[in-house]
Amino acid sequence: QQQVKQSPQSLIVQKGGISIINCAYENTAFDYFPWYQQFPGKGPALLIAIRPDVSEKKEGRFTISFNKSAKQFSLHIMDSQPGDSATYFCAASPLDDKIIFGKGTRLHILP
Amino acid sequence: NAGVMQNPRHLVRRRGQEARLRCSPMKGHSHVYWYRQLPEEGLKFMVYLQKENIIDESGMPKERFSAEFPKEGPSILRIQQVVRGDSAAYFCASSSLSRGNEQFFGPGTRLTVL
Repeated sequence: QQQVKQSPQSLIVQKGGISIINCAYENTAFDYFPWYQQFPGKGPALLIAIRPDVSEKKEGRFTISFNKSAKQFSLHIMDSQPGDSATYFCAASPLDDKIIFGKGTRLHILP
Repeated sequence: NAGVMQNPRHLVRRRGQEARLRCSPMKGHSHVYWYRQLPEEGLKFMVYLQKENIIDESGMPKERFSAEFPKEGPSILRIQQVVRGDSAAYFCASSSLSRGNEQFFGPGTRLTVL
């Protein structure tokens, strides 16, 4: 119940394309859903986050779509760029509690 | 405004030695979390601390691992009698109550056990 399942494990997208990463959870107590971006040798950096009272949040080229009834959420990266190549982690947590991470998606954007 | 700081960035220990990892949270943050990341894996929660209190240590191995966050100074993750399986990247994150769950991560300490 504490798991967050993330797919795909790896993803290759052409420059300018849309990158889509999906996650699913089971614990209905989760009410905070962040996405983190991690470059090799660096710590994860918060990219964008959503709470379950909204179905979509957009920040620049990054959009989170959230489906509460299906317990699924996804990250869309529009106009993907080579600089977006990194590992992306979805995560979930109850309020003021530890974050449960997905296993990550290694994204590679072809120039 | 300095972010979360961790030191050392790289630490090499021989089996049986002790490893001490330090984390200084962002200014104004009183919550600290420690996570472990194995190669090609996600981050696994270890322990959640507030000043002078351990709030949740459900992810900590029962033996050899301990953590503290004293009133003054950084949070310390201590691993006694290290074994090769302890080799990993250890990340610290901090948050403030006013920002809810928003956690900011440090650059990590990469521990290698020879």
